[in-house]
Amino acid sequence: ETGVTQSPTHLIKTRGQQVTLRCSSQSGHNTVSWYQQALGQGPQFIFQYYREEENGRGNFPPRFSGLQFPNYSSELNVNALELDDSALYLCASSWASDQQYFGPGTRLTVT
Amino acid sequence: KQEVTQIPAALSVPEGENLVLNCSFTDSAIYNLQWFRQDPGKGLTSLLLIQSSQREQTSGRLNASLDKSSGRSTLYIAASQPGDSATYLCAEKTSYGKLTFGQGTILTVHP
Repeated sequence: ETGVTQSPTHLIKTRGQQVTLRCSSQSGHNTVSWYQQALGQGPQFIFQYYREEENGRGNFPPRFSGLQFPNYSSELNVNALELDDSALYLCASSWASDQQYFGPGTRLTVT
Repeated sequence: KQEVTQIPAALSVPEGENLVLNCSFTDSAIYNLQWFRQDPGKGLTSLLLIQSSQREQTSGRLNASLDKSSGRSTLYIAASQPGDSATYLCAEKTSYGKLTFGQGTILTVHP
């Protein structure tokens, strides 16, 4: 059974640029949730995708958007990057609202 | 608004000591409460998950309790070891599966 994977591991972007982060869900899971974790803070919920539809959103602006594909993998897109977007981005997969399993995260640095 | 608070923010103990980490939550409509471990710069490892109908869960040297009426959970670590040094996060789950995290407790166990 393959766990949750994320790519890339690290990346550095410049303020104003756009970025796409990817997440492959665990086999048998149909739901992906994304979280942002700033340094020294707990993760904050961004949004969740269930069967390719957004199924709940946290307090993040519209420049944070996502997609879920038929194979249940997912992308997180962030437009017009700001310095405060620097964080560890975590995705978690689950079967519907069952227990979430987390990937290793993508460390994004915005300069 | 859901809030999760963890006390203390940091804890340093000598090896072998028993310790308790505290988590409080405000939403009484809790679905479950989960404890995670996070090593520096890494993803989240689930330690224990307590369903709302349960009072406690145990795994090895770890025991987690849940008191819905008071909005509190505790994580008890017996006979602490240097390898237990990490950040410990609690998260409550409500409704469709969104996790609301505390800010974490940074644990250092010194030899």
